[in-house]
This record gives sequence, structure tokens and C-alpha cells, in this order.
Amino acid sequence: AQTVTQSQPEMSVQEAETVTLSCTYDTSENNYYLFWYKQPPSRQMILVIRQEAYKQQNATENRFSVNFQKAAKSFSLKISDSQLGDTAMYFCAFTGAGSYQLTFGKGTKLSVIP
Amino acid sequence: NAGVTQTPKFRILKIGQSMTLQCTQDMNHNYMYWYRQDPGMGLKLIYYSVGAGITDKGEVPNGYNVSRSTTEDFPLRLELAAPSQTSVYFCASRTSGFYEQYFGPGTRLTVT
Repeated sequence: AQTVTQSQPEMSVQEAETVTLSCTYDTSENNYYLFWYKQPPSRQMILVIRQEAYKQQNATENRFSVNFQKAAKSFSLKISDSQLGDTAMYFCAFTGAGSYQLTFGKGTKLSVIP
Repeated sequence: NAGVTQTPKFRILKIGQSMTLQCTQDMNHNYMYWYRQDPGMGLKLIYYSVGAGITDKGEVPNGYNVSRSTTEDFPLRLELAAPSQTSVYFCASRTSGFYEQYFGPGTRLTVT
């Protein structure tokens, strides 16, 4: 069974600074997908970024980028120029290609400080 | 497009009562999911469906039932509610060939 571990329960960052959230996963599959979801206080789960395991290039979406290290089974999220609206829970998630399910980590609570 | 919608947003149930959480998506997605989120935890899969008429259990199915008679709707039924079912419930959907799931706004359920 796959597991997803987020080792930082809480983090904080000053506005306009950069922060990195960690995620590691365990799988025996070779083809899979990784995601970061954001859950602000509104409770809505919002997809931030996705990474296909077969792609060596790290995904980027505006201020959000990932550092995907397949051999180390690591998938960290970097948020640049942090904004107050980035305050949220962030969940790392994994799915194997052909699988129906997403496996979530327990989340990291990020607070952006003015 | 409305995306994934859920009703109700909040509900309080007494122990032993039953209710149905509604979920509808207008994106013509084949796959639909129900998750629960307990405080300080990630999401755990209750049930999922790969298409109309096909459902299967996830990680935590006990105490719940689902049906999928149409592509758009995927209701979750709670029978004989228990305090352990106090949680936030999310419905999600995705399309074939793409693995990201899109979530509804959630239902906060309290069983007392």
C-alpha cells in the first residue's frame, strides 16, 4: 500500500518570502502522479500543482513549483513571494497510474505572517 | 459550470438517525468519490464509482452506502448515525485519463 508522509505539521513564513513544504511517499510502482492540494479556511480543496512521475522536469504553476526527486521518493512544494492568501492547509497526494484512489498525507498548516 | 456541488453544507444528526448527502457534478466525469476528513488528518476514501451502476468500497466504508444511477449524481447514505461519523465529507470527481480530482465544498456533519 502507498503511504504519503508530511513531516511538518505547521509552518510559518513572512509575507513575500519563500517557503518549502516537504512530502515523501512510499510506493513500489514506477508510473504514478503526485499532487499538492490547498485547503484554505473556506474548506474548499483546491488543486495547486501536479507532477507526472515519468516527467523529469519539475512542474511549475506561477509562484508554486515542486522539487520532485523520484529516487528519493520526495515531492516538496516551494511557494515563492508568499501572500496572505496562501495561508491554508496543504496536502500532498499520490495515485498510481491505473489506480482509482488518491492517498493523502496528513497536511501541513501554513501561516503567512504580514 | 458549477463543478462539484454538495448539499447540505452543515447538518446535525442525533444518534441513530439516517440521512443522505447529495453530490452532483456537471463535468461529465466518469469517476466520483466520497471522502471524510477528521480533524488533523488527511482525507480518507469511503466509496468510489467508476461509472453509472458501478461502485466499490474505499478505506473506511463501514456505516455508509452509495448508489450511482446517473453520471452526474453520487449520493452517500448514512444509516444509524454514530458519533464516530462526525466529520467533514467531501465529494470529488475526475475524468478518464486524468488523475487529478476536483472537489466539492464539503458537508460538515455532527452526530450527537
